[in-house]
Amino acid sequence: GQNIDQPTEMTATEGAIVQINCTYQTSGFNGLFWYQQHAGEAPTFLSYNVLDGLEEKGRFSSFLSRSKGYSYLLLKELQMKDSASYLCAVKDSNYQLIWGAGTKLIIKP
Amino acid sequence: TAGITQAPTSQILAAGRSMTLRCTQDMRHNAMYWYRQDLGLGLRLIHYSNTAGTTGKGEVPDGYSVSRANTDDFPLTLASAVPSQTSVYFCASSDTGGSGTGELFFGEGSRLTVL
Repeated sequence: GQNIDQPTEMTATEGAIVQINCTYQTSGFNGLFWYQQHAGEAPTFLSYNVLDGLEEKGRFSSFLSRSKGYSYLLLKELQMKDSASYLCAVKDSNYQLIWGAGTKLIIKP
Repeated sequence: TAGITQAPTSQILAAGRSMTLRCTQDMRHNAMYWYRQDLGLGLRLIHYSNTAGTTGKGEVPDGYSVSRANTDDFPLTLASAVPSQTSVYFCASSDTGGSGTGELFFGEGSRLTVL
């Protein structure tokens, strides 16, 4: 079966750095997405990786290793507004998105 | 720009009643999707449409139906609601053509409670 694994919850301190991991086992691979979802709101797109390596976008970076079935989202200079759930999703061989259950990130002052 | 509009925002429904969740997009995206989101689970695809006039079944289609008469609208109908359909429903769209990422744009969600 297809599976996306990410930690259920993480806690970090304002101003610090946090890394949220995502491992996947899917039938084929056509890209990996990270979305941010604040409580009670819709998910919003953060990043997309289709080739191995690091994609940097401001305070957020996303890394992909296709051979290891592994990605991480790196958040730097954490702000209280970064408290949210972070969803990892992989596009499989049929171009359908397989979603992880999300990682709830709690930022403490 | 409105993006994707869903209605209603929330609804309480008696078991056995029918309900249509509306979804409209103004981005001219070819693909549209309906997901449900339940606590502790990832987003699960109910139905999708790759282009106007076509629809397909997702991971959890039973008890739901959709139509795609035009590019902009993608309503989701529950013919006879059951308590297990209590969930938050998200409509989404994407532009799957061209060289873009095909990222999804989501509506604000519809919270449905079936009693």
